[in-house]
Amino acid sequence: NAGVTQTPKFRVLKTGQSMTLLCAQDMNHEYMYWYRQDPGMGLRLIHYSVGEGTTAKGEVPDGYNVSRLKKQNFLLGLESAAPSQTSVYFCASSYPGGGEEADGQPQHFGDGTRLSIL
Amino acid sequence: QQPVQSPQAVILREGEDAVINCSSSKALYSVHWYRQKHGEAPVFLMILLKGGEQKGHDKISASFNEKKQQSSLYLTASQLSYSGTYFCGTEIRVGTASKLTFGTGTRLQVTL
Repeated sequence: NAGVTQTPKFRVLKTGQSMTLLCAQDMNHEYMYWYRQDPGMGLRLIHYSVGEGTTAKGEVPDGYNVSRLKKQNFLLGLESAAPSQTSVYFCASSYPGGGEEADGQPQHFGDGTRLSIL
Repeated sequence: QQPVQSPQAVILREGEDAVINCSSSKALYSVHWYRQKHGEAPVFLMILLKGGEQKGHDKISASFNEKKQQSSLYLTASQLSYSGTYFCGTEIRVGTASKLTFGTGTRLQVTL
């Protein structure tokens, strides 16, 4: 059981380039999240999705776009990368749906993508 | 608004105890605790829900004061494997969904 898989694991970009980070989960979770982690800042929510075809902004959405065309996949796009977007990006998923409560569900994290923008 | 964690860092000898605190200015549905080792993903430890229910780790205990919006994580008889950064996440309702906001972390180092 793979859980949450992020690709790529590492990437170096030049300012102005674009790229897409892929997150895939095999737990049939309804909710998916993208976070960025910077030293001393903890994890900050970029965008999230509560179901296929739905997305919403988190705390730090500027400069990023997301899509959730399939339930198992959540894509994070950087249209024009900037050095301030150098960070470690984590994807997470939660909430199996069905008869369970949506609140109070643990989040399962991928291994992260280390992104450097020069 | 991020919850506030204290202390920011702590060093323990193996076998000693530690308490990590987390406080929020917002009314909370639950508090989550995660541990992250260097270069790895955060790993779920436990959730404390309104009303007193707990989910998760059976060797680590925690408390949740709903009136004060505060939670504490208790690490007793610490082991080397407890080293890492501990994050609390405070859960609030947003429409029909819920969101976690993470604190900035408490770095715990356990030494021999």
